[in-house]
Amino acid sequence: AQSVSQHNHHVILSEAASLELGCNYSYGGTVNLFWYVQYPGQHLQLLLKYFSGDPLVKGIKGFEAEFIKSKFSFNLRKPSVQWSDTAEYFCAVNAGTNAGKSTFGDGTTLTVKP
Amino acid sequence: EAGVAQSPRYKIIEKRQSVAFWCNPISGHATLYWYQQILGQGPKLLIQFQNNGVVDDSQLPKDRFSAERLKGVDSTLKIQPAKLEDSAVYLCASSQGAGGTQETQYFGPGTRLLVL
Repeated sequence: AQSVSQHNHHVILSEAASLELGCNYSYGGTVNLFWYVQYPGQHLQLLLKYFSGDPLVKGIKGFEAEFIKSKFSFNLRKPSVQWSDTAEYFCAVNAGTNAGKSTFGDGTTLTVKP
Repeated sequence: EAGVAQSPRYKIIEKRQSVAFWCNPISGHATLYWYQQILGQGPKLLIQFQNNGVVDDSQLPKDRFSAERLKGVDSTLKIQPAKLEDSAVYLCASSQGAGGTQETQYFGPGTRLLVL
């Protein structure tokens, strides 16, 4: 069975600091990887996704993530965070050949201090 | 385009009572998902429909939870009877295609359930 681990439950940064949120998954085969974000009072929405090809994926609002197969990791990064990035971030993996059964991590709450 | 709609937004019930949640996916989306998100955890898939057929319900506690999507559009999720541990946010999501592993899911606002 697939599983996802997000290392940090709560991260607090000042504006302009760099961000890296860890995500590790366990599944031996081909995986599709997603980062979702939930801003305060809003719905979960897709930030970026990786299926194949270039392991460095760029998403919305300046976020990017790097897939490192040997480390089973898909860490999320942003060079300079803004106060508006305050949100909860979820990593999800979807593996297998048929049904789109996503497994989510427990999320990381990011607080950016102005 | 209109997003995924859910109602009610909040519900408080006592244990052993019944409750139902409603979801209307994005128009034209074939696949609909129900997730349970307990406080401090990520969403956990309960059931996935493609049109009006069940694709995956392996994590649905079938002794108390039921879900249907009769006309392949909107869906209801029911809990009968509710337990304290059912307190959670119930999220509905939809995707355009057949629910494949690469599809983006679009989430609704969720229904926050508190069981006393």
